[in-house]
Amino acid sequence: QKEVEQNSGPLSVPEGAIASLNCTYSDRVSQSFFWYRQYSGKSPELIMSIYSNGDKEDGRFTAQLNKASQYVSLLIRDSQPSDSATYLCAVNDYKLSFGAGTTVTVRA
Amino acid sequence: DAGVTQSPTHLIKTRGQHVTLRCSPISGHKSVSWYQQVLGQGPQFIFQYYEKEERGRGNFPDRFSARQFPNYSSELNVNALLLGDSALYLCASIWDRGLQEQFFGPGTRLTVL
Repeated sequence: QKEVEQNSGPLSVPEGAIASLNCTYSDRVSQSFFWYRQYSGKSPELIMSIYSNGDKEDGRFTAQLNKASQYVSLLIRDSQPSDSATYLCAVNDYKLSFGAGTTVTVRA
Repeated sequence: DAGVTQSPTHLIKTRGQHVTLRCSPISGHKSVSWYQQVLGQGPQFIFQYYEKEERGRGNFPDRFSARQFPNYSSELNVNALLLGDSALYLCASIWDRGLQEQFFGPGTRLTVL
């Protein structure tokens, strides 16, 4: 079983819609969770960190964490073409374990 | 403030050769990690160093080695290159070892022919 799994993409959403990305993880002791955005040919960029259960909002991004269900999600509101990228979920278990990523395409 | 720097940006090697990749973390950060990312996959953990000590090693063969210098910069060395070593090699600068909030450099694209 993979340590971190993300919903398979690609995910195509119209401009202005909400993009919803999901991630599950297997290690119950993980305490830190991250979302990275990676544009094609570039390195990952940290966009959200979340450490406790509940929601965390930063601009158009909302991360949600449920440790009991071992689930973390990312919502992108008012999606823009510039949000088109691959989104990587990462979980801290002394190192970062990454999912394979979900590619999001925002169509104008 | 300078971010994470890596060199070189691109590298082409042939099978059996050796390669050295370099990384400088964000000023004030004392820990770095190295990752390998092949196309279509998430980054895979190779090594983590903190205060010049190895603090973690991923599931990579002994052909991969690394070290951290007193100024906290780091090198990743790969011996006896294989075609399968072709990948984007990422260095991450770590703000807090406990929380593991990591900031990536631009990466080194290694192609093995």
